[in-house]
Amino acid sequence: ETGVTQSPTHLIKTRGQQVTLRCSSQSGHNTVSWYQQALGQGPQFIFQYYREEENGRGNFPPRFSGLQFPNYSSELNVNALELDDSALYLCASSLPNLEQYFGPGTRLTVT
Amino acid sequence: DQQVKQNSPSLSVQEGRISILNCDYTNSMFDYFLWYKKYPAEGPTFLISISSIKDKNEDGRFTVFLNKSAKHLSLHIVPSQPGDSAVYFCAASALRETSGSRLTFGEGTQLTVNP
Repeated sequence: ETGVTQSPTHLIKTRGQQVTLRCSSQSGHNTVSWYQQALGQGPQFIFQYYREEENGRGNFPPRFSGLQFPNYSSELNVNALELDDSALYLCASSLPNLEQYFGPGTRLTVT
Repeated sequence: DQQVKQNSPSLSVQEGRISILNCDYTNSMFDYFLWYKKYPAEGPTFLISISSIKDKNEDGRFTVFLNKSAKHLSLHIVPSQPGDSAVYFCAASALRETSGSRLTFGEGTQLTVNP
């Protein structure tokens, strides 16, 4: 059974640029959630996708957007990057309303 | 508004003793609670969960206790081992919500188990 994978591992971008982060869900899981973890804080919910539809969104601006594909993999897109977007971005997969299993994360640095 | 709070940023215990990690929440809609462990450069790993219809759940060395009236939960690790040294996150979810099973996390507690 393959776990949750994310790519890339690390990324450095310049303020104002756009970034796409990718996540492959664990086999059999149809729900993907994205979280942002700033240094010294707990992960914060960005949004969740269930069967290719957004299924809940946290307190993040519209420049954070996502997609889920038929194979349940997912992308997180962030436009007009700001310095405060520097964080660890975590993807988690699950079956609906059950335990979420996290990938290793993508460390994004915005300079 | 911090709906899930872990008031102790760090905890140090001796190998073989009990580790007790605490978590408080404010949102009465939360009905499902989880603990995750996180090592550096890895994602959080699910440890144990508890539904609001229970007050205790055990899995090996790990036991979670839920006190709904106090809006408090705790994770007990007995006996503690050096490999348990990690950051522990408490998380909560309101499964009755229609907006999906989003997790609300606390800030984490760094547990250090000394040999």
